[in-house]
Amino acid sequence: EAQVTQNPRYLITVTGKKLTVTCSQNMNHEYMSWYRQDPGLGLRQIYYSMNVEVTDKGDVPEGYKVSRKEKRNFPLILESPSPNQTSLYFCASGLGEEKLFFGSGTQLSVL
Amino acid sequence: GEDVEQSLFLSVREGDSSVINCTYTDSSSTYLYWYKQEPGAGLQLLTYIFSNMDMKQDQRLTVLLNKKDKHLSLRIADTQTGDSAIYFCAESIRNQGGKLIFGQGTELSVKP
Repeated sequence: EAQVTQNPRYLITVTGKKLTVTCSQNMNHEYMSWYRQDPGLGLRQIYYSMNVEVTDKGDVPEGYKVSRKEKRNFPLILESPSPNQTSLYFCASGLGEEKLFFGSGTQLSVL
Repeated sequence: GEDVEQSLFLSVREGDSSVINCTYTDSSSTYLYWYKQEPGAGLQLLTYIFSNMDMKQDQRLTVLLNKKDKHLSLRIADTQTGDSAIYFCAESIRNQGGKLIFGQGTELSVKP
């Protein structure tokens, strides 16, 4: 089954404790992206990757890192999480501008 | 800059038609999308329309695009309680590598 898998589904952590949210897709998509969803703001792009070893900043990249060492995986790294990074995070993949497929989301709470 | 606007709430009765509206600002959009988000779930792609089309119909869903007014709408015929969800309009921007600009989402409530 074609899917984008994110883990974990829920995460509660404390300020400053490094964390990684994993994202994996099984559709051989070149394009992958991370979004965060906040009430009243819709979804905003954090980082995206056009292919292996190619990443670029989206609209809200501050406080986040990503890596794309292999095609199927695109982890989101928070080196020193802060409470304003409490949000619902979505990973997406696609062949390009058409039809992005989204994961089920990761609800992160930073205390 | 790029911006997508939607009304936040819509309430309809079961069996009625729902129309969710969206306006966008960037005239270089290539595709426009409607995503559905059910409580506690991710985003599900409902339908999309290429920017050179005016209308697309897919079963109970009809998408209308007015490029002149930069207005996109989603009509759901015979709305059911299972259609209750948040609906996001999004546009992809030409030459920005698949980036989607999302609206704030419209919460559709379907009353029996």
